[in-house]
Amino acid sequence: AQSVTQLGSHVSVSEGALVLLRCNYSSSVPPYLFWYVQYPNQGLQLLLKYTSAATLVKGINDFEAEFKKSETSFHLTKPSAHMSDAAEYFCAVSVEGGTALIFGKGTTLSVSS
Amino acid sequence: GAVVSQHPSRVICKSGTSVKIECRSLDFQATTMFWYRQFPKQSLMLMATSNEGSKATYEQGVEKDKFLINHASLTLSTLTVTSAHPEDSSFYICSAISGQGPSYEQYFGPGTRLTVT
Repeated sequence: AQSVTQLGSHVSVSEGALVLLRCNYSSSVPPYLFWYVQYPNQGLQLLLKYTSAATLVKGINDFEAEFKKSETSFHLTKPSAHMSDAAEYFCAVSVEGGTALIFGKGTTLSVSS
Repeated sequence: GAVVSQHPSRVICKSGTSVKIECRSLDFQATTMFWYRQFPKQSLMLMATSNEGSKATYEQGVEKDKFLINHASLTLSTLTVTSAHPEDSSFYICSAISGQGPSYEQYFGPGTRLTVT
């Protein structure tokens, strides 16, 4: 079975500071990994995805994530937080293309000025 | 990128009534659509997988007679909540698979907020 654990339900950073959102996965087969962002009362927007190509994945809005098989991690980072980054972030895993996603519980990112 | 729409975006209904939510892929054909529900401050939980022209596959614990899913075409799937109760109040999100890319990216709709009074 596959699962995703997001460490820290709430992360607070100052504007301009580094953003680090943690995600660890469990999968018996090579996973596909995703990070999504959700703004209040809206659907999900894909930030980036790992599909067994390069381990360092760059996404939209300067977000990136690194797939580390040895650590079963796929942490999301951004060098400099903006106020507009404040949202809910979800890490998700699937075991192959075309299958449903299994989501972590989400991390709320707050950005203060 | 691919666009998925949902209608309505928000609906309030009385307990005991039924409500239908539509999920449409606007610019691609979706062989598979997924329905998720999200309770406040919680993650998305898969309810069912819908393949065009066949019966939906429901996750354990999801009542198929209560949550009727129809995927009549490659661009439309509907979720009908029958005999709705207040505990069915939730945010329902659909997603659609575009099978054109190697990673079969899922495209999510904007969600439907259901409130049962």
